[in-house]
Amino acid sequence: QVQLVQSGAEVQKPGASVKVSCRASAYIFTSYGISWVRQAPGQGLEWMGWMSTYNGDTNNAQKFQGRVTLTTDTSTNTAYMELRSLRYDDTAVYYCARSTRYRGRQLIDYWGQGTLVTVSS
Amino acid sequence: EIVLTQSPGTLSLSPGARATLSCRASQSVSTSYLAWYQQKPGQAPRLLIYGTSNRATGIPDRFSGSGSGTDFTLIISRLEPEDFAVYYCQQYGSSFTFGPGTKVDIK
Repeated sequence: QVQLVQSGAEVQKPGASVKVSCRASAYIFTSYGISWVRQAPGQGLEWMGWMSTYNGDTNNAQKFQGRVTLTTDTSTNTAYMELRSLRYDDTAVYYCARSTRYRGRQLIDYWGQGTLVTVSS
Repeated sequence: EIVLTQSPGTLSLSPGARATLSCRASQSVSTSYLAWYQQKPGQAPRLLIYGTSNRATGIPDRFSGSGSGTDFTLIISRLEPEDFAVYYCQQYGSSFTFGPGTKVDIK
């Protein structure tokens, strides 16, 4: 079955960067996009960005423009999300999710298990 | 940006009851681009419904979705113990936005 396995929890200081990985299996990696969604403690879901694993196109939420970089390594079926200049309010669980093309748009259909990123001095 | 609001914030019901969850958009959303997700504590969200009314793979038929324009509804016809969770609507027609969620808890 489709699996997205994310890297482990991270603790970073304010101003630092974090890079979360997401390894996909049981499907053709380059046939689906990868989205990133975060969830602050006790809060709702916030979409951060999307990347085409086929051609590298990206679309990031305006809120994260200039701070987030999405990349993929098709040789290992792994997607990465790097967030820079971390702030305390970036503390959240970060999810990668598979995006499938549905009627010309990207539908999120499978999710990774989440990676807790804690920003603390 | 399309803003989604969900009501009620919390729905307290008994197993076997019918749950009706509402999602309202700040502007019209194509029926093709409205989804619902279920999230249980400590777990990732799970896709329930896409394209307003299509159940995702493996989703039981007690879950149904409907709506158009700016008003959408998720109905759980008879709540099972495993259905007590938080439900999010999402639009994916114009970028992506999620609603704030409706928590369905046990009365």
